[in-house]
Amino acid sequence: SQQGEEDPQALSIQEGENATMNCSYKTSINNLQWYRQNSGRGLVHLILIRSNEREKHSGRLRVTLDTSKKSSSLLITASRAADTASYFCASSGTYKYIFGTGTRLKVLA
Amino acid sequence: GAGVSQSPRYKVAKRGQDVALRCDPISGHVSLFWYQQALGQGPEFLTYFQNEAQLDKSGLPSDRFFAERPEGSVSTLKIQRTQQEDSAVYLCASSIAGTSGYEQYFGPGTRLTVT
Repeated sequence: SQQGEEDPQALSIQEGENATMNCSYKTSINNLQWYRQNSGRGLVHLILIRSNEREKHSGRLRVTLDTSKKSSSLLITASRAADTASYFCASSGTYKYIFGTGTRLKVLA
Repeated sequence: GAGVSQSPRYKVAKRGQDVALRCDPISGHVSLFWYQQALGQGPEFLTYFQNEAQLDKSGLPSDRFFAERPEGSVSTLKIQRTQQEDSAVYLCASSIAGTSGYEQYFGPGTRLTVT
């Protein structure tokens, strides 16, 4: 399989807690993106981090990138029930995106 | 403004039938991608178009899979002689530029079930 790996595969937390998910990829990249997929809905772009960046914030999202370890993490702070979804990282070189296997997050109200 | 649309949303095919899946990207988007997503997995890259040129088809599983984008807008993914292992959700995405580093906009997908 050409997919990257994410862990944990599944995560269940209480509303208000923080959720951290990790992604590892295999080749050199120009950028890495995170996407969310709700049950029955399409993939929605969350945030992009370029290979020369180490950290990026967007609202309650914080993404880090460590190119030496070929890994990235997504932190969702103060989680809400509406954050329940699957989260995927997608690493990219020139144009091709390689998605991870995903983390299924469940936020309990 | 319309997003990426795909049709049909659901397709049931008998093994051996040919199917055609359509993708209407966002108008003016240069890049168009097709992905295959199995249940519980992330999308797997199938093929990439930059305008009408198919620059990468390395992810197509076999020569039964064929994609085209003749006028650089609408794209069709065709699967000939469908097999049960072709059952999956097929996602289309478009992006404004011809390089990575830009958001991909995904369609809702076509769920193909081969019986």
